[in-house]
Amino acid sequence: AQTVTQSQPEMSVQEAETVTLSCTYDTSESDYYLFWYKQPPSRQMILVIRQEAYKQQNATENRFSVNFQKAAKSFSLKISDSQLGDAAMYFCAYRSPGGNTPLVFGKGTRLSVIA
Amino acid sequence: ETGVTQSPTHLIKTRGQQVTLRCSSQSGHNTVSWYQQALGQGPQFIFQYYREEENGRGNFPPRFSGLQFPNYSSELNVNALELDDSALYLCASRPSGANDGYTFGSGTRLTVV
Repeated sequence: AQTVTQSQPEMSVQEAETVTLSCTYDTSESDYYLFWYKQPPSRQMILVIRQEAYKQQNATENRFSVNFQKAAKSFSLKISDSQLGDAAMYFCAYRSPGGNTPLVFGKGTRLSVIA
Repeated sequence: ETGVTQSPTHLIKTRGQQVTLRCSSQSGHNTVSWYQQALGQGPQFIFQYYREEENGRGNFPPRFSGLQFPNYSSELNVNALELDDSALYLCASRPSGANDGYTFGSGTRLTVV
């Protein structure tokens, strides 16, 4: 079974600075999908960024980018120019290919943004 | 209709009771999944429905059951509630064939006393 590990329970960053959240995963599959979700106090999981394992290029969405290291099974999230609205729980998630495969989540990292 | 809507937002039940949680998904979202998120933890997969049939299940006992309806709504039923069932229950849906991440609702916070 796949597992996802987030080793940083809490992180903080100064407004406008850059922060990196870590995620490692364990799998024997060669093709899969990786995601970062944001969960603000409103509780709704919001998709931040996704990466397909067969794509070597790291995904980027505006201020959010990932460092995907397939051999190391590492998938870190970099947030640039941090904003107060970035404060939330961030979850790394893994999904196998196929129609009925669920998301496997890590335990999350709570990010605080300091004004 | 856009988004995923869950009801109720909060619920308090007594141990041993039964509860039904509801989810209304976006039109065209044939796949719906339910997750349990205990306090301080990541969501755990309960089960998934595709076109009204269960097609995947996590490590949850049979007292957790579900239904999916043709109008893209779904239910999570939990019988014989236990204190450990206290959690945030999240509904997530996506169109069939999509490899993107799911669209999540804001969840139902269930407290069992």
